[in-house]
Amino acid sequence: DGGITQSPKYLFRKEGQNVTLSCEQNLNHDAMYWYRQDPGQGLRLIYYSQIVNDFQKGDIAEGYSVSREKKESFPLTVTSAQKNPTAFYLCASSMGWEGTEAFFGQGTRLTVV
Amino acid sequence: GDSVTQMEGPVTLSEEAFLTINCTYTATGYPSLFWYVQYPGEGLQLLLKATKADDKGSNKGFEATYRKETTSFHLEKGSVQVSDSAVYFCALSDKAGNMLTFGGGTRLMVKP
Repeated sequence: DGGITQSPKYLFRKEGQNVTLSCEQNLNHDAMYWYRQDPGQGLRLIYYSQIVNDFQKGDIAEGYSVSREKKESFPLTVTSAQKNPTAFYLCASSMGWEGTEAFFGQGTRLTVV
Repeated sequence: GDSVTQMEGPVTLSEEAFLTINCTYTATGYPSLFWYVQYPGEGLQLLLKATKADDKGSNKGFEATYRKETTSFHLEKGSVQVSDSAVYFCALSDKAGNMLTFGGGTRLMVKP
């Protein structure tokens, strides 16, 4: 089945540690995105990538880093510089053309303990 | 920059009631418009979309019409079910299709 897979579903991190969230898609989509969702709130864009080896900062990129070495993969690293990392993280992909929708993964819930 | 404004929730309805969730947007040019639905603990699923003025998107009994003159994309359903309980997000994509801008989401609760 084609789709977008995020792992793990739940992740716990100690303060001061970096952690990497995985996102893989087999939809042959060019564009990939990372969003953060806090309880009762909308989605805020962290980073996006329109093509391999290129990515752009979104609205809340501070304390996060990404890479796009393969078309299928867009991992997100939450660094120790992110002051409030506990949140629900959503990865998405799309064809990247006008009018095309984004497909979302099931999300990763990160908790700092 | 682009922005999307949705009515705040929660919206609580009885089964078979009529649903309207308001959505207005601010954008340069003519963006594409979307409604997504999120069930608890899950990612977002596309519900419907419209790519140009006066287009009507529809799916599973939900409808929304792209109104350029009022910059709106209100979601409607004639008869809601308990299974429609979820959070609904209105979104737009810029002309290049580079990214989605989301509204804050509206929680719908349908009681039997």
